[in-house]
Amino acid sequence: DIVMTQSPDSLAVSLGERATINCKSSQSVLYSSNNKDYLAWYQQKLGQPPKLLIYWASTRESGVPDRFSGSGSGTDFTLTINSLQAEDVAVYYCQQHYSTPYTFGQGTKLEIK
Amino acid sequence: QLQLQESGPGLVKPSETLSLTCTVSGGSISSSSYSWGWIRQPPGKGLEWIGSFYYSGSTYYNPSLKSRVTIFVDSSRNQFSLKLSSVAAADSAVYYCARQVVAVVGTAPDYFDYWGQGTLVTVSS
Repeated sequence: DIVMTQSPDSLAVSLGERATINCKSSQSVLYSSNNKDYLAWYQQKLGQPPKLLIYWASTRESGVPDRFSGSGSGTDFTLTINSLQAEDVAVYYCQQHYSTPYTFGQGTKLEIK
Repeated sequence: QLQLQESGPGLVKPSETLSLTCTVSGGSISSSSYSWGWIRQPPGKGLEWIGSFYYSGSTYYNPSLKSRVTIFVDSSRNQFSLKLSSVAAADSAVYYCARQVVAVVGTAPDYFDYWGQGTLVTVSS
């Protein structure tokens, strides 16, 4: 199984500032035949299901604000939230869809400082 | 607008079989562009993929649960279902159904773009 490890486990950021969440996979999730990274990011607010933010490591899902961006390749990825808003308080998960079993990171809890 | 809704018992006894159904509205479960999956989340914990079903009949299961899991589809009702046998307390969780994008038809499914609201299942006598 591909193990996904996120860091930090939690962070507190001031409104309007930038939040950065990291995700590392135990093996590369870059598919060489199409040069795509099989990595997605989700946001889960309290009491709600996860919501897709980013797929293919850096493609923003339709309707997701452009302050959310994804970067990285191979085994190291980052979710960046610029100009943090109060509604961004949530737990964020990365997920690899390179191979089954599909696996998620343990989650990063984002709070307002 | 696609919607997914989980249904089933909220309480299951140990050693029995957990059965849940996901009803899909606003889209066809038989589309070649999507797969349909189940994910669970124990209270206060992270997400665990259980398995996925592709319209062609292909199924993908988490090896950690494979011996106990069955996912099947009822296309006539636009529903898909999960059965998890021999449950124990560790199977208590919120169970989500979700649509999984198949970026290239005929290949394994990819990311989950639509999720149901989830249903809490508690295993207890």
